[in-house]
Amino acid sequence: QQQVKQSPQSLIVQKGGISIINCAYENTAFDYFPWYQQFPGKGPALLIAIRPDVSEKKEGRFTISFNKSAKQFSLHIMDSQPGDSATYFCAARSGSWANNLFFGTGTRLTVIP
Amino acid sequence: DGGITQSPKYLFRKEGQNVTLSCEQNLNHDAMYWYRQDPGQGLRLIYYSQIVNDFQKGDIAEGYSVSREKKESFPLTVTSAQKNPTAFYLCASSSRQAGSYEQYFGPGTRLTVT
Repeated sequence: QQQVKQSPQSLIVQKGGISIINCAYENTAFDYFPWYQQFPGKGPALLIAIRPDVSEKKEGRFTISFNKSAKQFSLHIMDSQPGDSATYFCAARSGSWANNLFFGTGTRLTVIP
Repeated sequence: DGGITQSPKYLFRKEGQNVTLSCEQNLNHDAMYWYRQDPGQGLRLIYYSQIVNDFQKGDIAEGYSVSREKKESFPLTVTSAQKNPTAFYLCASSSRQAGSYEQYFGPGTRLTVT
């Protein structure tokens, strides 16, 4: 079963708007929550990541909000730009030495001018 | 330049043939991973390796095989036993240093089997 559930599957936002992508998990052993950005035909690249001991992390226009009690985390993209159009994946790391990541199913974001 | 290289970018094979996908990294990472990406299904782990000469099955290992004879290299063989081999394959690596969790991805290989 899907260990990390991601929504929406696709998202269309006007330039300058806020894009919000949500993820939920069940496994309380997860201890690291990254977001990856992937452009067509390329490999994913780390965008931003958070540990469960903080509720928010901001890097430029990208913010992760983390709700430990609800087991949810979300990515907010402020002032969305056409260059942000890509597929975004949330992920979670199990708290084992293996460093494996469990990925959400992805959100295809389209920012229209 | 440090990074992960995968070759070839596109690969075409006939059904029933085995095919090997290359993955090389010069990041001095101990751990390496293979993922399969299909539309709408995210990334699914095929195999991973934490150290040389050791590897473990991921969620969808059936029909695949790997080897890890060198730290820098982690080739994936898609065998004829894999029922739906057409997909985008991604290789990744990560450090095993404490607190270092990021996985770095290669550019991927798109395999088409007809």
